[in-house]
Amino acid sequence: AQKVTQAQTEISVVEKEDVTLDCVYETRDTTYYLFWYKQPPSGELVFLIRRNSFDEQNEISGRYSWNFQKSTSSFNFTITASQVVDSAVYFCALTPEYSSASKIIFGSGTRLSIRP
Amino acid sequence: DGGITQSPKYLFRKEGQNVTLSCEQNLNHDAMYWYRQDPGQGLRLIYYSQIVNDFQKGDIAEGYSVSREKKESFPLTVTSAQKNPTAFYLCASSRAATGNTIYFGEGSWLTVV
Repeated sequence: AQKVTQAQTEISVVEKEDVTLDCVYETRDTTYYLFWYKQPPSGELVFLIRRNSFDEQNEISGRYSWNFQKSTSSFNFTITASQVVDSAVYFCALTPEYSSASKIIFGSGTRLSIRP
Repeated sequence: DGGITQSPKYLFRKEGQNVTLSCEQNLNHDAMYWYRQDPGQGLRLIYYSQIVNDFQKGDIAEGYSVSREKKESFPLTVTSAQKNPTAFYLCASSRAATGNTIYFGEGSWLTVV
């Protein structure tokens, strides 16, 4: 069975602090994709990153970075020097490589609030 | 700009009425999806379509119907049979190949009054 767990329901930090959002997944597949999406108050889910299970290299994009560790089945997301505009709900997701994208499984989301 | 357009953004419906949510994409994606999101909850798949004139039920299809007559369009009808239709509805699309990224529209808020 596939499962994505985002244990942090809500996080609140002061602006400019670093914050890490945790994502732990379960899958029996050897190849799969992991994703992060951002959902600001406007509602649209914005795609942030897709990571193939064979690629464990960490990714950095500006203030965003992702740490993928197969050994612990985790795909954590860190925002450095957080800003108020980072306030949103963030979803981690998983899909097996050889399945339709309709099989994507989303975590329950982490609501991040950045206080000025 | 390429993207997914949903309309209307906000919709109010009286109990017993059907309502149709529009979804159009110009990304040339083969697959399209409808998700439902309740306040503070995750996403649940209603219907998806991987090719024109074909669609499959997702996890919560009861009370909903869809059509896929054109590649660009995937309208969702919320019927009177849907007992709790008040929710946020998200349309999405992706390339048909496996493992591809799903891209989302801006969503539609449906409220039953």
